[in-house]
Amino acid sequence: ETGVTQTPRHLVMGMTNKKSLKCEQHLGHNAMYWYKQSAKKPLELMFVYNFKEQTENNSVPSRFSPECPNSSHLFLHLHTLQPEDSALYLCASSQGASQNIQYFGAGTRLSVL
Amino acid sequence: AQSVTQPDIHITVSEGASLELRCNYSYGATPYLFWYVQSPGQGLQLLLKYFSGDTLVQGIKGFEAEFKRSQSSFNLRKPSVHWSDAAEYFCAVGISNFGNEKLTFGTGTRLTIIP
Repeated sequence: ETGVTQTPRHLVMGMTNKKSLKCEQHLGHNAMYWYKQSAKKPLELMFVYNFKEQTENNSVPSRFSPECPNSSHLFLHLHTLQPEDSALYLCASSQGASQNIQYFGAGTRLSVL
Repeated sequence: AQSVTQPDIHITVSEGASLELRCNYSYGATPYLFWYVQSPGQGLQLLLKYFSGDTLVQGIKGFEAEFKRSQSSFNLRKPSVHWSDAAEYFCAVGISNFGNEKLTFGTGTRLTIIP
């Protein structure tokens, strides 16, 4: 029980589809993160939101569109993805100030056909 | 920019044996250091962290890690592994960026336990 819930756990989509990943944290944190985990590569930070404001976009292609309506919810909208976008997408949250630990969800395993 | 190296991609140890997973970092200042564990199909769980003070830190599940500034290392140890410790282990270095903790992860070490 990590306090960070991601849905769906698995997603298969075609390159022309539009889908969304959802993340919800029940920890009262102020910062939320999206990471991409691909095989044999380090976790890649994609986006950071702090108090609902985007504070980091790590040169992510525009086919990934994040949304943070409040400090508890984070979405990742997907459209016209490529097969190389297949990966595990992890959401994390932290209190937001320095020296704060990030807590991770279980991830969404995405397969793009 | 900071970086993290985990030189061992895969380690196999016998149940009950001791374990050491290596982690080296590159960062200009004193880093915040973390070890996370990821079981199959799961997200990352924090094992332990180093922010300051005592360079030997204790974590959950019987793990410990030692920060050695002279070697830029933060190796993870456990005196006796259990089959349930089989997982992937990630070392990370964190920097504070105006209110956000930015983490840079290593590529991970996969741990296999044999009976």
